[in-house]
Amino acid sequence: DTAVSQTPKYLVTQMGNDKSIKCEQNLGHDTMYWYKQDSKKFLKIMFSYNNKELIINETVPNRFSPKSPDKAHLNLHINSLELGDSAVYFCASSQDRRGGQETQYFGPGTRLLVL
Amino acid sequence: DAKTTQPNSMESNEEEPVHLPCNHSTISGTDYIHWYRQLPSQGPEYVIHGLTSNVNNRMASLAIAEDRKSSTLILHRATLRDAAVYYCILRDFMEYGNKLVFGAGTILRVKS
Repeated sequence: DTAVSQTPKYLVTQMGNDKSIKCEQNLGHDTMYWYKQDSKKFLKIMFSYNNKELIINETVPNRFSPKSPDKAHLNLHINSLELGDSAVYFCASSQDRRGGQETQYFGPGTRLLVL
Repeated sequence: DAKTTQPNSMESNEEEPVHLPCNHSTISGTDYIHWYRQLPSQGPEYVIHGLTSNVNNRMASLAIAEDRKSSTLILHRATLRDAAVYYCILRDFMEYGNKLVFGAGTILRVKS
């Protein structure tokens, strides 16, 4: 069973479109995250939710809106896509929201290409 | 967030041990040292973590300097499957939010 899954795996779309990426975890974790990995391969946190509550929002444009319908799901909706949004987006989850010993489990990534 | 410094890349032969260094001279007393790796075209995966003592698990060992200003991830017998980017990350257990702050990491190449 896949612990953290994302759909779709690949997403090719035109500038200006709106798209969503879905994430599900079956680990029973309380906290979920979205990370973005750009073309230079740097991974950066975007958002984090704990028990459906937003706890991290790292100066991401408001065209990006995370939605957590329940603890097991964290979806990412992107409005008015721009060329610079092309990247790989990773979802992750962890048991708790504190740092220290907590381990994060990552999904396989969604490769978004905006033309 | 306290910073870590890692070599850009390292190379190893298959079946030989690999020592991946990480410097973290500004580490605080509440920082855990974590290692993650990212295999090609995959998401990052947890490798190991420690606070003060050396740690072993089925994937690797973590050797932490006595002053905690540096650490070394040890892969005892590198395989081709270990070729990845390895990230050394400090995690403050007092921090609310639990985000991972990734640096550039070390690209490990394994030769057969």
